[in-house]
Amino acid sequence: QVQLQESGPGLVKPSQTLSLTCTVSGGSISSGSYYWSWIRQPAGKGLEWIGRIYTSGSTNYNPSLKSRVTISVDTSKNQFSLKLSSVTAADTAVYYCAGVGATTSFDYWGQGTLVTVSS
Amino acid sequence: SYELTQPPSVSVSPGQTARITCSGDALPKQYAYWYQQKPGQAPVLVIYKDSERPSGIPERFSGSSSGTTVTLTISGVQAEDEADYYCQSADSSGTYQDVVFGGGTKLTVL
Repeated sequence: QVQLQESGPGLVKPSQTLSLTCTVSGGSISSGSYYWSWIRQPAGKGLEWIGRIYTSGSTNYNPSLKSRVTISVDTSKNQFSLKLSSVTAADTAVYYCAGVGATTSFDYWGQGTLVTVSS
Repeated sequence: SYELTQPPSVSVSPGQTARITCSGDALPKQYAYWYQQKPGQAPVLVIYKDSERPSGIPERFSGSSSGTTVTLTISGVQAEDEADYYCQSADSSGTYQDVVFGGGTKLTVL
């Protein structure tokens, strides 16, 4: 059973870069799942897709965040990562990592990690 | 940008049928997916490819599609079904078929 776990700082200062890592266990990040994504959810609000990285290494991002987002993968560690630059209070949210499986939908989710942007 | 529209809230009594809709121009061409999210928890997939049910999801959950609207139906609603429900699909207007979520519907079991 594939499991995902987010890790990273829970507090980031405005204008700095938010960095999170998702560790995949129970399977190889290079096989099985079609792609891996980051999704966020501000308190009391809906889900927002941030972007994805395919097992091939190619990426694409939500157009509204594209200029600030980088998603990368480290297959040796079975991890993929998110970097979001120039953060503001509007980036405060629970950040989820997720994986698309055989159903072609988000079969796998991390538990989520709260990131607060504040000085 | 492409949007999926859901009603903010739906209320039903236990044992009744709840129907949650999701509308979007690309839905005739793109599959829809439904997720259930309870407070403090990550979303859980309940319907994929418009009407398929993942293993472990109760049979009372079903999905359907008609034109630009997809519908999640919960038959014989139980108290444990109270949650937020999100539809998800893809924006087929762009090159990369970006993932899009609906705004979510809060299901209240009276």
